[in-house]
Amino acid sequence: QQQVKQSPQSLIVQKGGISIINCAYENTAFDYFPWYQQFPGKGPALLIAIRPDVSEKKEGRFTISFNKSAKQFSLHIMDSQPGDSATYFCAASKAGTASKLTFGTGTRLQVTL
Amino acid sequence: DGGITQSPKYLFRKEGQNVTLSCEQNLNHDAMYWYRQDPGQGLRLIYYSQIVNDFQKGDIAEGYSVSREKKESFPLTVTSAQKNPTAFYLCASSRLAGSYEQYFGPGTRLTVT
Repeated sequence: QQQVKQSPQSLIVQKGGISIINCAYENTAFDYFPWYQQFPGKGPALLIAIRPDVSEKKEGRFTISFNKSAKQFSLHIMDSQPGDSATYFCAASKAGTASKLTFGTGTRLQVTL
Repeated sequence: DGGITQSPKYLFRKEGQNVTLSCEQNLNHDAMYWYRQDPGQGLRLIYYSQIVNDFQKGDIAEGYSVSREKKESFPLTVTSAQKNPTAFYLCASSRLAGSYEQYFGPGTRLTVT
């Protein structure tokens, strides 16, 4: 049973455009929602994270939008750059679970010139 | 320079052999994790440990074993019982209190033929 569903599987965006990746979760006990960025052959690195007490969090060109009632959250990358080309994973965790993360299946983003 | 090291980066084994993947961290984190990554399936949790000499099964523990004799080290053994061992293996660590953030190592790509 997949607890975090991520879409799309792949995404092509022109340089300067907005990249949007969506995730939906099922477990209402989740209280931490990070996004990880992974380059080929490397380990994932935390990009940005949000807790359900806020609806939006912005760090530079990266924004998480969170909709608690719909159990959805999304990553927006503004002014997308070729260097943003990577695989992005959403994840979720809940208190009292040793910080275990449940990951989405990933979105491969390609930013073209 | 703090971080997580995994060795080797590439590992090749014959079917039927056990193989041990190394993971070391100098972040003084209490918790450590092993994930398996396959194309299109995201990251799946194999085992995790919150404290020395204690560890718990994740979602796909069958065919794997771990030990946690030191806080800094969490080796993973892929046994001959694992049906499809070829994959990219990622080790991560985190604090247990105050933060859910997991820091990942660079990964080991295991190929079994």
